[in-house]
Amino acid sequence: DAKTTQPPSMDCAEGRAANLPCNHSTISGNEYVYWYRQIHSQGPQYIIHGLKNNETNEMASLIITEDRKSSTLILPHATLRDTAVYYCIVRVAKSNYQLIWGAGTKLIIKP
Amino acid sequence: EAQVTQNPRYLITVTGKKLTVTCSQNMNHEYMSWYRQDPGLGLRQIYYSMNVEVTDKGDVPEGYKVSRKEKRNFPLILESPSPNQTSLYFCASSIQGTAYEQYFGPGTRLTVT
Repeated sequence: DAKTTQPPSMDCAEGRAANLPCNHSTISGNEYVYWYRQIHSQGPQYIIHGLKNNETNEMASLIITEDRKSSTLILPHATLRDTAVYYCIVRVAKSNYQLIWGAGTKLIIKP
Repeated sequence: EAQVTQNPRYLITVTGKKLTVTCSQNMNHEYMSWYRQDPGLGLRQIYYSMNVEVTDKGDVPEGYKVSRKEKRNFPLILESPSPNQTSLYFCASSIQGTAYEQYFGPGTRLTVT
């Protein structure tokens, strides 16, 4: 199964772009990358997902490298409310398309 | 408002006393799932349901049961809780499987003594 590697923590100044990296070097060709975030111990919140093209929505942008071995989630103008744990997840093609969750990146937005 | 609700939010119980955590969604979603989260770890899937009367095991199903008699409800049953089931539990739903955005409930913090 593809697994992801993320830095355990990152800081970002309020108002700046937050760039969260994720390594998924063993990802298969048909496996999607998903990003969710979890604020405190609340239920996780979906952010964005993609396969190989860059994606953008009202929350964030997802940049996937051409070889698909890594990706970056970009929060364009981080606010204090973006402080959360961000999970980069691969949706595996077997095991009934489970999402394999790792430990995530704790992003702290500083004023 | 579209939402997933869980009850209770907090529960302290003793070993062996059967309990049920309820989960309900108002979005007419076909897919529902239960996860547990332990400190420092991501979510692990317990059971999921693709539709009414269709359930299947996730990664950590031992010690849990589920049922899906109605589309909106997906209760999690612990027949004989043990201390290693102390955890934070989340219910989630989506239109149709994990390919789609999953909506999570607020969580149930369970302590088994």
